[in-house]
Amino acid sequence: LAKTTQPISMDSYEGQEVNITCSHNNIATNDYITWYQQFPSQGPRFIIQGYKTKVTNEVASLFIPADRKSSTLSLPRVSLSDTAVYYCLVGDGNTDKLIFGTGTRLQVFP
Amino acid sequence: DAGVTQSPTHLIKTRGQQVTLRCSPKSGHDTVSWYQQALGQGPQFIFQYYEEEERQRGNFPDRFSGHQFPNYSSELNVNALLLGDSALYLCASSSNDRYLAYEQYFGPGTRLTVT
Repeated sequence: LAKTTQPISMDSYEGQEVNITCSHNNIATNDYITWYQQFPSQGPRFIIQGYKTKVTNEVASLFIPADRKSSTLSLPRVSLSDTAVYYCLVGDGNTDKLIFGTGTRLQVFP
Repeated sequence: DAGVTQSPTHLIKTRGQQVTLRCSPKSGHDTVSWYQQALGQGPQFIFQYYEEEERQRGNFPDRFSGHQFPNYSSELNVNALLLGDSALYLCASSSNDRYLAYEQYFGPGTRLTVT
C-alpha cells in the first residue's frame, strides 16, 4: 500500500474554498485514492474516491493530476461544521483494509 | 435504513480481563472490518470478516479475535487486556465489491478504558 503525506493542520474561514493536498509518490497502477472525514468521537465518513482526473459529488471534488503522485481534496465554501480531520488513503481495494495516516486537521473559523 | 451500530458505547475494564464488542453492519453489507483508534491517531486496521471467516488481518496480537455471524453481524474479543488497549474501537461495513471496498461505513465506536 502506498504511503501518503498530508499537512498536519490547516485553518480556514467560513465561505472559503479549502484545498487539502495529499502526496502519494509510490501509488501503484491499480490504486484508487479515497478521502475520509472524521469528527471527534465519531467514526470516519467516506467523502470521495477517484482514480484519475477529476471526480465531483455533492460534498467535494477530487483532483488527480496525470502522474497520480498527488491528489487534492477541494471543499467549496466551508462552514464551521466542516471542522474535522481529513484522511487521504491509497490502495488497490484488493486488501480491503483502510490504512489511515494521521490526517489533516481542518479548523474553520467564523 | 439503519447504519452501522455498535454496542456498548462505553466500557471500563480492568487489566487482565476480557471484553467483547458487538457490531451490526449497514443493511445490504456483508463485510465487516474492525479498527482501533488511539487518541490523536488515525484508525488502525485490526481485521476483516467476510462469509464468517477472517479474510484480512492487521498487526495485532492473537489476543484480538473476532467472529462473524450468519446475519453478518460481528464481535471483537480482546483477551488479557492491557492498559494500551484503551482506545476507540470502530466497526466498518462494506459490500464485497472490489470498487466499493474502500467505501466503508463506520459505526460510532465503542470507547474502551482499561484501568
